[in-house]
This record gives sequence, structure tokens and C-alpha cells, in this order.
Amino acid sequence: IAGITQAPTSQILAAGRRMTLRCTQDMRHNAMYWYRQDLGLGLRLIHYSNTAGTTGKGEVPDGYSVSRANTDDFPLTLASAVPSQTSVYFCASSDSSGADTQYFGPGTRLTVL
Amino acid sequence: GQNIDQPTEMTATEGAIVQINCTYQTSGFNGLFWYQQHAGEAPTFLSYNVLDGLEEKGRFSSFLSRSKGYSYLLLKELQMKDSASYLCAVTDSGYALNFGKGTSLLVTP
Repeated sequence: IAGITQAPTSQILAAGRRMTLRCTQDMRHNAMYWYRQDLGLGLRLIHYSNTAGTTGKGEVPDGYSVSRANTDDFPLTLASAVPSQTSVYFCASSDSSGADTQYFGPGTRLTVL
Repeated sequence: GQNIDQPTEMTATEGAIVQINCTYQTSGFNGLFWYQQHAGEAPTFLSYNVLDGLEEKGRFSSFLSRSKGYSYLLLKELQMKDSASYLCAVTDSGYALNFGKGTSLLVTP
């Protein structure tokens, strides 16, 4: 059982380029989330999806978009990367949104130059 | 909105007991989580409290007082591998977790 996988593990990206971070879970969880983690700021929610076909904005959604075409996959796209998007990105999933335990993927370390 | 506070850093000795506090102010409350995160790794679930009182799970215990907006994580018989960040997170009636900035715990010999 893989749980949650993320790809790539790390990436260096030129500013202005488009980038999609991939996230796949095999636990049949309904809810999925994208967080970014920055030193001194903790984990902040970017976007979430309560169930396949629906998405919502979190605390820091600007510059990011997501889609949820099926239960397993929840890609995060940076349409035109900027240096302030340099961060570690974590995908998470839970059986349902709200009070269910969230399980995190291994993270993607993104550097935008 | 949510405001979650926890100490930035703590140091404790191997074999000792340490208590990591978390205070929160929320517009609603549907539970409090503690996660552990080792450097360079993903957060992993430790505990969940939704009712007042103490939840014990091996060397780790978590306490909640909803009226005081207060929780603590108690780690007993500290081991070197317990050196990590400990994240307090609160869920309101909505969809996601709101995390504190985390407490970095260093366990020394």
C-alpha cells in the first residue's frame, strides 16, 4: 500500500514557467488537500477538494490552481511560477473533510529562480 | 478565523518528560490534532482530541480543555528519535486543518 505519492521529489524551476505537482492516493479517500510549508510560517492550506469534481480555495490560493477529475489524483498547477512560490509542498488526504485524520505525502521541494 | 500558538523551540534531556503547549482561538471547534514531523519528512499523525480530558497512547498523551482553548502534548521517557517538530492543528466546522507554526523539540543526551 503506497498511501500518498507525490512527484517530483524536488524541482528547480525558472520564474515564469508553468509547473504541475502531482499527487496520487490509493486509500480511496474523499478529501484531498495541498499545503505549502515555509520556515517560520508553518503549514498553510492552498486548495482543497472535499470529493471528486469539487475544489475550494484555502488560505493562500493565489497563483495556484487544482483539479479533481477522479478520487485518486489531485494535481497542483503553478501557471507562471514566481520566486515567492519557493517552498515545500505537501499533499494530504482524509476519508472526509473536517475532523478526519489527514495523511500526508512525502512532499515536493520546489525552488523558483 | 483561527489563531494557534505554540512555543517555537524546546530542549529536553533523554529519559525526561516534556510538555508542549498549544493555545487556540477559533470561531468554531471540531477537534484538535497533534502531528510529528522529522526534518525533511512529512507530518505524521500522533493524536486527536475532541472532548475535554487526557488521551494516552503509549509514551505520548494529549490533553484538551475546550473552555480554555488549550491543549498539551506530553512526551514521556524521551528518546533521541523524539527530536522533531510537533504541530498543533485545529479543525473548525469546515473542511481543513489550521496549523500552528510548530514546536521544534531537541532531545539531548
